[in-house]
Amino acid sequence: EIVLTQSPTTMAASPGEKVTLTCRASSSVSYMHWYQQRSGTSPKLWIYETSKLASGVPNRFSGSGSGTSYSLTINSMETEDAATYYCQQGSSYPPTFGSGTKLEIK
Amino acid sequence: EVQLQQSGAELGKPGTSVKLSCKVSGYNIRNTYMHWVNQRPGKGLEWIGRIDPANGNTIYAEKFKSKATLTADTSSNTAYMQLSQLKSDDTAIYFCTLYNRGYFDYWGQGVMVTVSS
Repeated sequence: EIVLTQSPTTMAASPGEKVTLTCRASSSVSYMHWYQQRSGTSPKLWIYETSKLASGVPNRFSGSGSGTSYSLTINSMETEDAATYYCQQGSSYPPTFGSGTKLEIK
Repeated sequence: EVQLQQSGAELGKPGTSVKLSCKVSGYNIRNTYMHWVNQRPGKGLEWIGRIDPANGNTIYAEKFKSKATLTADTSSNTAYMQLSQLKSDDTAIYFCTLYNRGYFDYWGQGVMVTVSS
């Protein structure tokens, strides 16, 4: 099973700040997918196939990476971006998720 | 619009079973795999397994092989998950989700299962 390690576990960012979340895989994967989850709600697909924004996702978000190292970047942090972000790989079974990065607003 | 409507919260006693449902609208489940994911209180997402509703084929995560049973009814476009021999460790929110080329693009609202005597 491919283990995904996200860092940091928790972080706080000020409005307007650039934010980068990382996800490292224990083996190479073809793509990485990202989900946003706000407290008390189900996860939402946020970025798929490494760099494609899901419907409705603001373009201040971007995704990049390859092989075992991937990242999600917010160009300019906004209050509404405070949430937990999970990475997920579907390149090999079983599908696995990272443990999440909780992003808070300062 | 694709929607996944899950059944209501469950309270089960240790050793008993519960059966969760996930009714899909706006998409024919024969054309996809239905997956289930859980989230223990304050924890991350954990993949449980998936079913191919077209033929009933299932794959489970190792730790859920004797815990979860996935079924689907294509006539009602509904997927089910039965959790057996409930223990306190099974207390979690359970999500159904549709799979699309490696990622999960639609999710149910989740159902809280609480195991308590």
